[in-house]
This record gives sequence, C-alpha cells and structure tokens, in this order.
Amino acid sequence: EAQVTQNPRYLITVTGKKLTVTCSQNMNHEYMSWYRQDPGLGLRQIYYSMNVEVTDKGDVPEGYKVSRKEKRNFPLILESPSPNQTSLYFCASSPNGNQPQHFGDGTRLSIL
Amino acid sequence: SQKIEQNSEALNIQEGKTATLTCNYTNYSPAYLQWYRQDPGRGPVFLLLIRENEKEKRKERLKVTFDTTLKQSLFHITASQPADSATYLCALVRATDSWGKFQFGAGTQVVVTP
Repeated sequence: EAQVTQNPRYLITVTGKKLTVTCSQNMNHEYMSWYRQDPGLGLRQIYYSMNVEVTDKGDVPEGYKVSRKEKRNFPLILESPSPNQTSLYFCASSPNGNQPQHFGDGTRLSIL
Repeated sequence: SQKIEQNSEALNIQEGKTATLTCNYTNYSPAYLQWYRQDPGRGPVFLLLIRENEKEKRKERLKVTFDTTLKQSLFHITASQPADSATYLCALVRATDSWGKFQFGAGTQVVVTP
C-alpha cells in the first residue's frame, strides 16, 4: 500500500529537549515536504526537498532542520523546541515538485 | 508573498445541492492549483489539479474552474452527500524557480445535511 508514515503520532515534551519526527514514503517519490497546521492559518510549508541531498526553505523554516540522505526518508528535527512550535505536523511526498502530494496522518506535538 | 483566501465560515448545504467553494489569491498567478480534502485528524487527500492554461477540470461529481484574470478558483461538489462533509483546501505552486514551494489556503469546512 502506497503511504507516507510519520512517527510519532503524538508527542508531549518540554522546551529545549531536542526531538526528531521521522517521515518515510514507499512510493519512490523524488519530492518530500513538511508542513505545520495551526487553527485559522492552514498548512504552512516548513521545508521541502526536490531530491536526495537537496533541501529548501518553505515559508516558516525558523527553528527547524531537515535532512534528505536517502530518497525514502525526510526527518524533521527540532533542535531546541519552544512552545510556539506546538502544532500539528504533516509530511508529504509526490513524484516531483508540482504534482499532487500524498500526506501522512500527522504528528501532534505539544511543547510545554 | 502570495496571499490565499478561502471562506472561513463553514458552508452548510442540503444533500443533493451543489456546494461551491472559492479560492482567491493575490500577487503571482500559480502554475498549478490543487484542491484537497481533509477529514478531522487525517492528512489532506488530493482531489483535483488544474493548470494555469486550463479553464475547467472535472472528476465525477467534482468540478474546478480557474480564472487567472479574477485570480480565483471555484470548486464545485454537485449532488452533494453527507459523506462529502469535510474541510477543503486549495494549494498553489508557482512556476519555474519555485517548483516545490506550495502555499495552502486555510480551508473551508463543508457540512452536508440529509
């Protein structure tokens, strides 16, 4: 089954404790992307990757890091999480940078 | 930067009627405009894509139009059903040097009552 898998689905943590949200896709897609979703603001793009070893900033990259060492994985790293990063996060993938995206089921992060 | 506006108020509609949602944007004209459906607690699911040189696309009971002069896309759900109740998002991607950089609207919630 074609899917984008995110882990964990839920996480409550404290300010400053580094965390990583993993994202993996099994569709051999070139393109992957991370979004955060907040009430009234919709989905905002954090980072995206057009291919292995190629990453670019979206609209809200501050406080986040990503890496794309292999095609199937695109982890999102919060080096020093802060309460304003409490949000619902989605990973997505697509064959390239303009085609429809397949989304994961989301990761709800709460940073206290 | 691009500003995308979708109706923030929920659209309540009776089963069998046509639901029409709007997506307005400012600044540049997107190369691609996509519509997604999102159910509570789930990730968005792709529905339709329309390119800047296309006026209309259809898929079963869904229709999307794209007017680059008005800077607007309309999304229609005909013969609506309770199962169509969800939030619908529009997404834009710019051409050439911005492939991969998506911007989404905040979405419009549709509630279809029997």
